[in-house]
Amino acid sequence: DTEVTQTPKHLVMGMTNKKSLKCEQHMGHRAMYWYKQKAKKPPELMFVYSYEKLSINESVPSRFSPECPNSSLLNLHLHALQPEDSALYLCASSQVVRTVVSYNEQFFGPGTRLTVL
Amino acid sequence: KNQVEQSPQSLIILEGKNCTLQCNYTVSPFSNLRWYKQDTGRGPVSLTIMTFSENTKSNGRYTATLDADTKQSSLHITASQLSDSASYICVVSATRLTGGGNKLTFGTGTQLKVEL
Repeated sequence: DTEVTQTPKHLVMGMTNKKSLKCEQHMGHRAMYWYKQKAKKPPELMFVYSYEKLSINESVPSRFSPECPNSSLLNLHLHALQPEDSALYLCASSQVVRTVVSYNEQFFGPGTRLTVL
Repeated sequence: KNQVEQSPQSLIILEGKNCTLQCNYTVSPFSNLRWYKQDTGRGPVSLTIMTFSENTKSNGRYTATLDADTKQSSLHITASQLSDSASYICVVSATRLTGGGNKLTFGTGTQLKVEL
């Protein structure tokens, strides 16, 4: 299985809602990532997990809360979002070789299209 | 500061024609360069990956070139099809540092539209 799956495909939420995005991979990758992508812009890195531990947080607002419950799953919990948070949220995964994350070999999921009203 | 610039920003071509997309980078120290195809609202899909010692690599109708001296890469699409309409993103990775790693540097992409 060489696929990264994300659910849901689309999500519409109000500014007071709490929702979660889910990402799953079964390639044995021990690094997982969340990216945010606005229309016609490149993806922006949000978080990196390595061996289920948060290794990079790119100064993301606390209304985004990542969670890595096991080596195959990555969640992004959303609370009190703003309309400007509407974007495509991409999950990716890659190998970790002898504690070094292979950033340059990421596999991307199809993304979740988030709309905040 | 690591940067990746792509040109043109957008491109419209007729089906069956060829086209070439450009990527210039200032990422250092260079590890590899990857071209991704991203359909609207979908995740990026890798087309080719090239390391320092590789000058050209093909994947079907896609051929990527790399000039590590001038820090330029190109993606050539042959006999374009309607399904080639997408954003093409150049992504450059720096050499991994001991005990850590470097983020990818994404280009802003070239939006290609193939018309009948």
